[in-house]
Amino acid sequence: QQQVKQSPQSLIVQKGGISIINCAYENTAFDYFPWYQQFPGKGPALLIAIRPDVSEKKEGRFTISFNKSAKQFSLHIMDSQPGDSATYFCAASMKGSARQLTFGSGTQLTVLP
Amino acid sequence: NAGVTQTPKFRILKIGQSMTLQCAQDMNHNYMYWYRQDPGMGLKLIYYSVGAGITDKGEVPNGYNVSRSTTEDFPLRLELAAPSQTSVYFCASSYLNTEAFFGQGTRLTVV
Repeated sequence: QQQVKQSPQSLIVQKGGISIINCAYENTAFDYFPWYQQFPGKGPALLIAIRPDVSEKKEGRFTISFNKSAKQFSLHIMDSQPGDSATYFCAASMKGSARQLTFGSGTQLTVLP
Repeated sequence: NAGVTQTPKFRILKIGQSMTLQCAQDMNHNYMYWYRQDPGMGLKLIYYSVGAGITDKGEVPNGYNVSRSTTEDFPLRLELAAPSQTSVYFCASSYLNTEAFFGQGTRLTVV
C-alpha cells in the first residue's frame, strides 16, 4: 500500500510560534519526500524536499526532520507568520515510477496575527 | 515564462456530458501528470506520461482518458461525466528527478 498519512488535519498557531506537521509512510521504496504549500485557488508549489540519506534539511524558517527507521518525516515552520497560512501537503515518490507523487491528506495552517 | 497552463479554470458539466481539460507546459519537461484533489483527501494521480506517445494509468484512472501527442500538451478527457468526478484537477510536469510544477487547476462541477 503506497499510503502517506498526514496529521494534524488543521493547525492554528500564534504569530512567532512553531508549526509542526507530521507524516508517516509505509513503502520503504520511497526515496524522495517533498512538502508542498498551497494557497487558495492556486496549485501546490514545492516548499522543501529531503532524501532519506539525511536526517534533517533546513531552508530559512522551514525544516524537514526525517526518521528513516520510524518511516516518519515532519515539517517545522519556525517563527510562523500570517503569510504562512496555507494548506501543506507532504508527499513521497520513488525511482522507476516516473516520480509519481503520493500525497498526504493535507494540513490547513492558520497563523494568527 | 508561463510554466504549466491549464484551461478552463472553471467548468460546470451536466451528467453524461463530455469535455477535455487542457494542459500545456513550456519547460520542455518529459514527465507530465494529472491529479485530482478532493476536499480532505489530498491529491490522487489519474494518469501520467513519461514522454510523447507514452501514457500510463495512475491510482484513479476510471472515467478518464489521456493522450500525449507532443512534449508540451497533455489533455485529459472526461467521457460521460458523473457527479463523482466533481473535483479540482491539477496538471503537473517535471524533468527526470527534479521537482514537479503544478498548474493553477481546473474546478469542475458535475450536476
